[in-house]
Amino acid sequence: AQSVAQPEDQVNVAEGNPLTVKCTYSVSGNPYLFWYVQYPNRGLQFLLKYITGDNLVKGSYGFEAEFNKSQTSFHLKKPSALVSDSALYFCAVRVTDSWGKFQFGAGTQVVVTP
Amino acid sequence: EPEVTQTPSHQVTQMGQEVILRCVPISNHLYFYWYRQILGQKVEFLVSFYNNEISEKSEIFDDQFSVERPDGSNFTLKIRSTKLEDSAMYFCASSEGRIGANVLTFGAGSRLTVL
Repeated sequence: AQSVAQPEDQVNVAEGNPLTVKCTYSVSGNPYLFWYVQYPNRGLQFLLKYITGDNLVKGSYGFEAEFNKSQTSFHLKKPSALVSDSALYFCAVRVTDSWGKFQFGAGTQVVVTP
Repeated sequence: EPEVTQTPSHQVTQMGQEVILRCVPISNHLYFYWYRQILGQKVEFLVSFYNNEISEKSEIFDDQFSVERPDGSNFTLKIRSTKLEDSAMYFCASSEGRIGANVLTFGAGSRLTVL
């Protein structure tokens, strides 16, 4: 069965510092991995995805993520965090043999302080 | 940028009442989904819908739930007789194609409170 783990409930970082949000996964077969962000009173917004190809994936708002097959990780990173990056971040994996079903992580709240 | 729109944004209902949550997916999208998030818990898959029929559903999606695309634009989730545990944020999503090359675009959600 597929699963996604986000080990940190909350990440605190000062503005201008690097931001990392961790995600590990467990799937059978090749993983389709995604990051979404949720701002207050908004839906889930797509940030980036890994399907195949380069392990470093670049996405929206300056975010990137590195797919590491040996560590089964897909950590989200941003070199210099902004206060406006404060939000809830979800890692998700497409369920194998399903074309429409994501397994989401529990979410990590990112708090960026000025 | 195209959006998925959901109404109502918040609905309060009494236990046992029927509720219909409405969604307008992005116009050229062919695949539609409902997910839900109980407060403080994970976002969970409910159902996917393509070509006017359910493609997949989770164990949560029991006989009390139904989905429909009554016209060319709306996609609805009906809960026939609400229970307290149905209180959650319900997200509609759509995609142009299957997940992979395509991504899900989510609406802002409909918060359902069952009293």
